[in-house]
Amino acid sequence: DIQMTQSPSSLSASVGDKVTITCRASQSLTNYLNWYQQKPGKAPNLLIYAASTLQSGVPSRFSGSGSGTDFTLTISSLQPEDFATYYCQQSYRTPYTFGQGTNLEIK
Amino acid sequence: QLQLQESGPGLVKPSETLSLTCTVSGGSISTSNYYWAWIRQPPGKGLEWIGSIYYSGSTYYNPSLKSRVTISVDTSNNQFSLKLTSVTAADTAVYYCARLGPTSWNFDLWGRGTLVTVSS
Repeated sequence: DIQMTQSPSSLSASVGDKVTITCRASQSLTNYLNWYQQKPGKAPNLLIYAASTLQSGVPSRFSGSGSGTDFTLTISSLQPEDFATYYCQQSYRTPYTFGQGTNLEIK
Repeated sequence: QLQLQESGPGLVKPSETLSLTCTVSGGSISTSNYYWAWIRQPPGKGLEWIGSIYYSGSTYYNPSLKSRVTISVDTSNNQFSLKLTSVTAADTAVYYCARLGPTSWNFDLWGRGTLVTVSS
């Protein structure tokens, strides 16, 4: 299985901050990397697919970059509704696997 | 718009079989190029892909669960289902159904999820 490792596991930030979350894969994914946001008690929501393509309806303050084994999710200016848990997911090969999650909390 | 809804028992006894159904509304499960998936999340933990199915019946399973999992599709009722046998407390989780899109194979649409507890 392809192992996905996110860092940090948790992060405290303030409204207006720029935040970067990193995801590293145990082997090259080319660009088969997706990002999700999950709020408590809710299903995950797709933010970014193919490493850098913004899903329809997702605010432009979210962006993704990277290829191969190293990827980043950036939120340019945190809004109150962005405090949530974020997951990366590789879709290069089954079994599809997720990172362990990054919990973004209000400072 | 397309919606997914999980249904099934919220409590299953150890060693028994967990059975869930996902009903797709607002569109057809027989849409070309889309797969349909089950994903689970133990309380307070991360996400685990269980398996996926195409409307033709073609399936892919997570090897870690393959010996216990069956995913099937019922196109006439626009549903797909999950069966997980010989459950233990470790199978307690929120179970989500989701659509797997062909562009980068992402999970672009999710059900709300249903909590299944394994307990006697």
